[in-house]
Amino acid sequence: DAGVTQSPTHLIKTRGQQVTLRCSPKSGHDTVSWYQQALGQGPQFIFQYYEEEERQRGNFPDRFSGHQFPNYSSELNVNALLLGDSALYLCASSSGTGGTDTQYFGPGTRLTVL
Amino acid sequence: GESVGLHLPTLSVQEGDNSIINCAYSNSASDYFIWYKQESGKGPQFIIDIRSNMDKRQGQRVTVLLNKTVKHLSLQIAATQPGDSAVYFCAEESNDYKLSFGAGTTVTVRA
Repeated sequence: DAGVTQSPTHLIKTRGQQVTLRCSPKSGHDTVSWYQQALGQGPQFIFQYYEEEERQRGNFPDRFSGHQFPNYSSELNVNALLLGDSALYLCASSSGTGGTDTQYFGPGTRLTVL
Repeated sequence: GESVGLHLPTLSVQEGDNSIINCAYSNSASDYFIWYKQESGKGPQFIIDIRSNMDKRQGQRVTVLLNKTVKHLSLQIAATQPGDSAVYFCAEESNDYKLSFGAGTTVTVRA
């Protein structure tokens, strides 16, 4: 039973570029959440997708956008990259049956912006 | 504001001893709490959870205690092993679907 997978593992971009990160949820899960984790800090919620719609959003600018596909996989897009976007980006999946469902995390994508 | 925080940023434990990691939360409406373990270079790994209608839950070598009166959460690890060295996060979830994390406690196990 595959857990949450993310790609790529590492990514290096320059300021102003755009990036797309990908996530496949754990088998049986239909909800995907994205988090940003800066070095030495706890993860910060970006947004959650359920039934191909953004269901909830954290305090992140519109440069951060996402998408969920019919197979429940998801993408996170970040436009106009800033140095401060350098972080570990985590995807978590859960089943969307209720408001409090256990979220299981993938290994993350390490983004470095130069 | 609403936040989840840990009392101590670091904890050093002798191998074989019990560890206790503490967490304070401020959102009295939170009804679900989770402990995650994060090893270097990896994503957070689910350890144990507890819902607000319980005050204690036990797993394999781990116990979570919830005190809603003082809004305090703790994780106890029995017979700490070198593989328990990691950063531990408590997280809070309410019906708004998002997890709120504290800054984490780094646990170092001494041989």
